[in-house]
Amino acid sequence: DPKIIQKPKYLVAVTGSEKILICEQYLGHNAMYWYRQSAKKPLEFMFSYSYQKLMDNQTASSRFQPQSSKKNHLDLQITALKPDDSATYFCASSPMGLGGHEQYFGPGTRLTVL
Amino acid sequence: GQQVQQSPASLVLQEGENAELQCNFSTSLNSMQWFYQRPGGSLVSLFYNPSGTKQSGRLTSTTVIKERRSSLHISSSQTTDSGTYLCAMDATSSGQKLVFGQGTILKVYL
Repeated sequence: DPKIIQKPKYLVAVTGSEKILICEQYLGHNAMYWYRQSAKKPLEFMFSYSYQKLMDNQTASSRFQPQSSKKNHLDLQITALKPDDSATYFCASSPMGLGGHEQYFGPGTRLTVL
Repeated sequence: GQQVQQSPASLVLQEGENAELQCNFSTSLNSMQWFYQRPGGSLVSLFYNPSGTKQSGRLTSTTVIKERRSSLHISSSQTTDSGTYLCAMDATSSGQKLVFGQGTILKVYL
């Protein structure tokens, strides 16, 4: 059974619309993250959450808003979509505590903005 | 500048040959991970290796913190090893933000 679920797998949106990307993890982790992989760019960190609180935000645009309704959920709301937002969005999770921990990644949501 | 440099950018091997992938970091790091990205895009964690050497089957990862580098050795490569290999570092003390390299694209042929 998949331990990190991302929905939907593929998403097509029109410019200016709003979409929500879903992420649920069943690893019992307390930290969750969002990363983005655009064409020909390295995977880049967007947000980190710990115990449902925002820890780090490396996304300049306020159009990207994480939402954590439950401890094991971290959704990503994207408003006023632009073609440049087209990318694969990965959710990840890890145990929380002092020092580094291995991060586990979901399968990704591939977003295309027309 | 780019914090994580991976080399080579691409590599072509005949099945059975060995591969050595390198990752160099421009800043001090607290931990690092190696990932395999399948052709379909999903990521598989190969190693979480903050320091020292770890082995899993035909894969060996070695991280030398003071030299700010890590390597991934693939022995006796197989066609199923083809894909993209990514290294990522975490420079934060709380392990919260991975910075990824550009990746090494590996192609193994019969």
